[in-house]
Amino acid sequence: AQKVTQAQTEISVVEKEDVTLDCVYETRDTTYYLFWYKQPPSGELVFLIRRNSFDEQNEISGRYSWNFQKSTSSFNFTITASQVVDSAVYFCALSFLMDTGRRALTFGSGTRLQVQP
Amino acid sequence: NAGVTQTPKFRVLKTGQSMTLLCAQDMNHEYMYWYRQDPGMGLRLIHYSVGEGTTAKGEVPDGYNVSRLKKQNFLLGLESAAPSQTSVYFCASSYSGGTSYEQYFGPGTRLTVT
Repeated sequence: AQKVTQAQTEISVVEKEDVTLDCVYETRDTTYYLFWYKQPPSGELVFLIRRNSFDEQNEISGRYSWNFQKSTSSFNFTITASQVVDSAVYFCALSFLMDTGRRALTFGSGTRLQVQP
Repeated sequence: NAGVTQTPKFRVLKTGQSMTLLCAQDMNHEYMYWYRQDPGMGLRLIHYSVGEGTTAKGEVPDGYNVSRLKKQNFLLGLESAAPSQTSVYFCASSYSGGTSYEQYFGPGTRLTVT
């Protein structure tokens, strides 16, 4: 079964704190892709990162970093020195192969991050 | 370059009414998707299309129909709306689903069925 679990429903931090959003996935595929999307209060979904299952290197982009560990089936997202503009719902998603041979995304339930000034 | 657009942004329907949601993309993407987002459940795939004239069922297709008559448009229809279809609907497109390019999302349509 394909499943993404984001156990943290809501996190509240004070500006400049570091925060890590957890993502644990289950898949039977040997090749798969993981994504993070951001949904700010305005409602649109913004793509943040894609990682394939062959590449376990951690990635850093400015204040954002991602830690992919196949051994624990986790793809965690860390925001360093959080800012009020980081307040949003963050979704982790898994791309898996459907019976049709096509790929689809399954999403976690999201983590709402509130950054207080 | 508008990306993915959705029409309308908001709609209120009465039970049993029908409506069509329109999604348009100007990125020449082959794949298009319709999702619904419910509180605490993330996004769930309703239907998708891998090209003009083709559609397929996703995770929660019941009560919905779709059509892809033109490559740039993907329509989602509700023939007889039910309160359980109250949700936020997102359309997305991607260059290719086979190699898992990222999906680009529209701004969403908030539908309320009373």
